[in-house]
Amino acid sequence: DTAVSQTPKYLVTQMGNDKSIKCEQNLGHDTMYWYKQDSKKFLKIMFSYNNKELIINETVPNRFSPKSPDKAHLNLHINSLELGDSAVYFCASSPQTSGGPSSYNEQFFGPGTRLTVL
Amino acid sequence: GQNIDQPTEMTATEGAIVQINCTYQTSGFNGLFWYQQHAGEAPTFLSYNVLDGLEEKGRFSSFLSRSKGYSYLLLKELQMKDSASYLCAAMDSNYQLIWGAGTKLIIKP
Repeated sequence: DTAVSQTPKYLVTQMGNDKSIKCEQNLGHDTMYWYKQDSKKFLKIMFSYNNKELIINETVPNRFSPKSPDKAHLNLHINSLELGDSAVYFCASSPQTSGGPSSYNEQFFGPGTRLTVL
Repeated sequence: GQNIDQPTEMTATEGAIVQINCTYQTSGFNGLFWYQQHAGEAPTFLSYNVLDGLEEKGRFSSFLSRSKGYSYLLLKELQMKDSASYLCAAMDSNYQLIWGAGTKLIIKP
């Protein structure tokens, strides 16, 4: 019954490696997101994606790339990991991005993936 | 630029009332969200305001003043389980959420 799930929950890896984090939502939502939450607890949007449009936060390095095999999945691939990439990464989904009642704009978060780069 | 300001940390007593303030500056505005985040867990939705005024939901209420770029979250009858971070987020004209750093609320017996 999990609405938004992510795997793995914890990821420890060496600098320079390539890794992926998977996200799946079973809510039938149109839009999915990736956030990074650093040690200062700021939630920073990295990507938002629906069937029509990928919106990239311009501050995100191109080592990060979202991959969506279908509407229910949005995976995050990271190349050449750096120490500064250590953070908690949250996936989220919402029914739609634009307009409508508040329920359409509410974002549902996955449990997070704690990435530690050594 | 776009900015959300909220206090870093607040302390309150069990059974009391606490108000967490948030001011925002965004390019356009499509509503103000409050989320609760317990340590080590994901944020969960608490409230949404897009019109001026107070929205009450049980022990939690949220207020919005669009002209002042200001919102607050009011928590009544505080319980120990309310110890968490409270995140304010404003939705801009592109329907993207701009997040504050969160207010860590500490409840003391």
